[in-house]
Amino acid sequence: QSALTQPASVSGSPGQSITISCSGTSSDIGVYDYVSWYQQHPGEAPKLMIYDVSHRPSGVSNRFSGSKSGNTASLTISGLQAEDEADYYCNSYTGTNTLVVFGGGTKLTVL
Amino acid sequence: EVQLLESGGRLVKPGGSLRLSCAVSGFSLRPYSMSWVRQAPGKGLEWVSSISSSSKYIYYSESVRGRFTISRDNANNSLYLQMNRLTAEDTAVYYCARGTVEVPAAMSDYWGQGTLVTVS
Repeated sequence: QSALTQPASVSGSPGQSITISCSGTSSDIGVYDYVSWYQQHPGEAPKLMIYDVSHRPSGVSNRFSGSKSGNTASLTISGLQAEDEADYYCNSYTGTNTLVVFGGGTKLTVL
Repeated sequence: EVQLLESGGRLVKPGGSLRLSCAVSGFSLRPYSMSWVRQAPGKGLEWVSSISSSSKYIYYSESVRGRFTISRDNANNSLYLQMNRLTAEDTAVYYCARGTVEVPAAMSDYWGQGTLVTVS
């Protein structure tokens, strides 16, 4: 099972919106609505931001939203804030013995 | 407060073995699936293994299958990862993470702070 494909980096100015893509295949993202997104600040543990494609856990800002089209999932952050600068990872359920696959991660820079 | 605390990481020689533990508090381990996810220095997250709430379903990544064994003790709210035949490529911070109820899926909603395993 190959890793999901994410852009290495994205950037945006405070107040703007950005979208991070996560490309998979018809064996993972394309067939299951079990895509999650995680935020990781340097030296910290990952934090769940979106699960099941578009659901936000309690306590996560509504500036974060998720969607999916075909084999590609997306994370959109609106109203960018300095504190959003972090690494973001997607993952997907695969339904195989290799249960979960992660994306390579995207570094978000807030200019 | 939900907490996950990993332990057991240390420097080990290639070919050696190590057992990681994850003690959870603030919730009962029993109903939840659990996972181990690792992160090599300067690299991304890599899923390692997951176990269902009853231990009936267990999954491993290709890179560790046959060398690592995941287990759990629901009575003692603990998760384990037995790591054998370690190589330099296993060097990473290992996180334990809480998954969905019963059967594991992709989502992990709580993560520990990680324990560093160095193989050298």
